[in-house]
Amino acid sequence: AQTIHQWPVAEIKAVGSPLSLGCTIKGKSSPNLYWYWQATGGTLQQLFYSITVGQVESVVQLNLSASRPKDDQFILSTEKLLLSHSGFYLCAWRITGGAYEQYFGPGTRLTVL
Amino acid sequence: GDSVTQTEGLVTLTEGLPVMLNCTYQSTYSPFLFWYVQHLNEAPKLLLKSFTDNKRPEHQGFHATLHKSSSSFHLQKSSAQLSDSALYYCALRANTGNYKYVFGAGTRLKVIA
Repeated sequence: AQTIHQWPVAEIKAVGSPLSLGCTIKGKSSPNLYWYWQATGGTLQQLFYSITVGQVESVVQLNLSASRPKDDQFILSTEKLLLSHSGFYLCAWRITGGAYEQYFGPGTRLTVL
Repeated sequence: GDSVTQTEGLVTLTEGLPVMLNCTYQSTYSPFLFWYVQHLNEAPKLLLKSFTDNKRPEHQGFHATLHKSSSSFHLQKSSAQLSDSALYYCALRANTGNYKYVFGAGTRLKVIA
C-alpha cells in the first residue's frame, strides 16, 4: 500500500524568511506528484506537478519553487516568504490509469507572521 | 479553460433529510469528475469518481451521476447524518493527457440534529 508523508506538520515563519516543505511517497515507483495550496477558507489550487525525477512543471506562480530530487521525494520552497503564503500545503499522488484520481498527504499548515 | 462551479457555499440540513450538492463543469474534452470530502484540519479524501460508462459511483451512501448533456456531477445522499458535516469539493481532470486538476470552490455541508 502507498503511504504519503509530509513534513513538517506545521510551521510558523516570519515574512522574508526561507521555507522548505517536503513530501515523500512510499510503495509507488515513479509516481506523479503534485503540490497544492489551500488558503484558509479557500479552495485547492494546484501549484506544481512532476512526472519524473528532475522534472517539475509550474501551474501557477506564487513566488514558490519546487524540485524532485528523488523518485519518491517532492520539495516546495521559497527564499522569501510573504504573508500571502500562509495556508495549508498538500502533496498528492495520482493513480496511473482509469480516472487518474489523486490521493492527498496529511498536509503542512503554514502561518507567516 | 476548464472550470468547476459549486454554487452553494453552505448547505445546512436536518439529520435524515436528503442531500444534494451541485457541481457543474466546463471542459473542452470529456473530463473525469471527482468528489472529495475534507473534515476540519484534515486533508481532502476521495469520495467518488466518475466512470466512462454509465455506472453510478457510490460510497458511504453518497452517489453521483455524470450527465454530459448538462455538464453536471451532483452529489446525493438519501439521508444526511451528523457525521456527514464537512467541506465537499468537486474536481475535474481534463481527459487530454495533461496533468492539471481543477477544483471547485467547495460546499460546506452542516447537518444539524
